[in-house]
Amino acid sequence: KAGVTQTPRYLIKTRGQQVTLSCSPISGHRSVSWYQQTPGQGLQFLFEYFSETQRNKGNFPGRFSGRQFSNSRSEMNVSTLELGDSALYLCASSLIAGGLRGDTQYFGPGTRLTVL
Amino acid sequence: AQSVAQPEDQVNVAEGNPLTVKCTYSVSGNPYLFWYVQYPNRGLQFLLKYITGDNLVKGSYGFEAEFNKSQTSFHLKKPSALVSDSALYFCAVRDSRGGGADGLTFGKGTHLIIQP
Repeated sequence: KAGVTQTPRYLIKTRGQQVTLSCSPISGHRSVSWYQQTPGQGLQFLFEYFSETQRNKGNFPGRFSGRQFSNSRSEMNVSTLELGDSALYLCASSLIAGGLRGDTQYFGPGTRLTVL
Repeated sequence: AQSVAQPEDQVNVAEGNPLTVKCTYSVSGNPYLFWYVQYPNRGLQFLLKYITGDNLVKGSYGFEAEFNKSQTSFHLKKPSALVSDSALYFCAVRDSRGGGADGLTFGKGTHLIIQP
């Protein structure tokens, strides 16, 4: 089976712009989660989607949003980019909602976003 | 609230020696515990998890971890280290209470360096 894929792998934007990142989960997986990884804050949970519904959201401002499509693919959007949004954004997929029965999350390679 | 602590930023081990990477956690309910490894410029790779049952969990590449409820620990171990094990290791926890809707909480990571 193909793993989790994320596009694009690298992105350079300027402050004030917006960006959309895409994630395709492992075939058959219905849950997608997003995480932000930075040297200072480490890995932080952004949000999780299951069956096109957001289950929960981490402690991030409203500029960060996401959605999931009927084929389980997911996108996340960041509006009005700030320098501090520079990070590696990781997508993870699991068979079911990740917290149920401790289902394993499998991660993609990430999208490296640089905000200038 | 759920939290994870990895007390060591870096662990140095000679090739062929046993290795241990430490992790302690805090949850309200029962923990779902995970170990992931990250190589440079890559996403996170799943190693093993504890959900319930046997306290000793075996995973990929010869790694294992021991769940200790009284000490709230989940240390990662390997009997004989390889140079190729050198990477960044993350411990993560998810609280079973509330259906685990809070996403994975990660530790800060431990750099494992295996010296030839």
